[in-house]
Amino acid sequence: QKEVEQNSGPLSVPEGAIASLNCTYSDRVSQSFFWYRQYSGKSPELIMSIYSNGDKEDGRFTAQLNKASQYVSLLIRDSQPSDSATYLCAVTSNFGNEKLTFGTGTRLTIIP
Amino acid sequence: GAVVSQHPSWVICKSGTSVKIECRSLDFQATTMFWYRQFPKQSLMLMATSNEGSKATYEQGVEKDKFLINHASLTLSTLTVTSAHPEDSSFYICSARQAPYSGANVLTFGAGSRLTVL
Repeated sequence: QKEVEQNSGPLSVPEGAIASLNCTYSDRVSQSFFWYRQYSGKSPELIMSIYSNGDKEDGRFTAQLNKASQYVSLLIRDSQPSDSATYLCAVTSNFGNEKLTFGTGTRLTIIP
Repeated sequence: GAVVSQHPSWVICKSGTSVKIECRSLDFQATTMFWYRQFPKQSLMLMATSNEGSKATYEQGVEKDKFLINHASLTLSTLTVTSAHPEDSSFYICSARQAPYSGANVLTFGAGSRLTVL
């Protein structure tokens, strides 16, 4: 079983709609969760971090964490063509351990 | 914000030669740097954790004698791919965290180095 799993996509969403990206993880002691955006040929850039159960909103982005279900998601509201990228879910086992385990990523395409 | 400079951004080399990739933290001190490798359409895989002034910690399956890591200062870590072969062709990315450690913090990534071995 992969430690961090994501649907590879591609996920196509019309411009202006909500894009929903999902991620599950296997290590129950995981504490820190991150969503990175990676454009083709570029390195990842951090979109959101979340550490406790519930929702965390930042602009058009909302991260949702459910530790009981070992599930973390990212919602992108009012999707823009510039949001088209691969979104990587990453997890660390505990605070202070920045050894990130990445999922394989979901390729998102926003259709104008 | 924190900036990590990685050089070169791309390199082409002949099989059997060695290639050095540099990762510099420009405006902060990095006691720990991480080296990742990413093959096409795959995720980032951690290769090793580089600690300033000590030996790097390699992940299982990563050959330490092939991928030499040096972290001689708080702002510079280098990865040398020795005796490169075509299967080493990949996207290599470094990341760093600031020192002193201030809690659950995020990493700053370099722009990556694309290595092509002919």
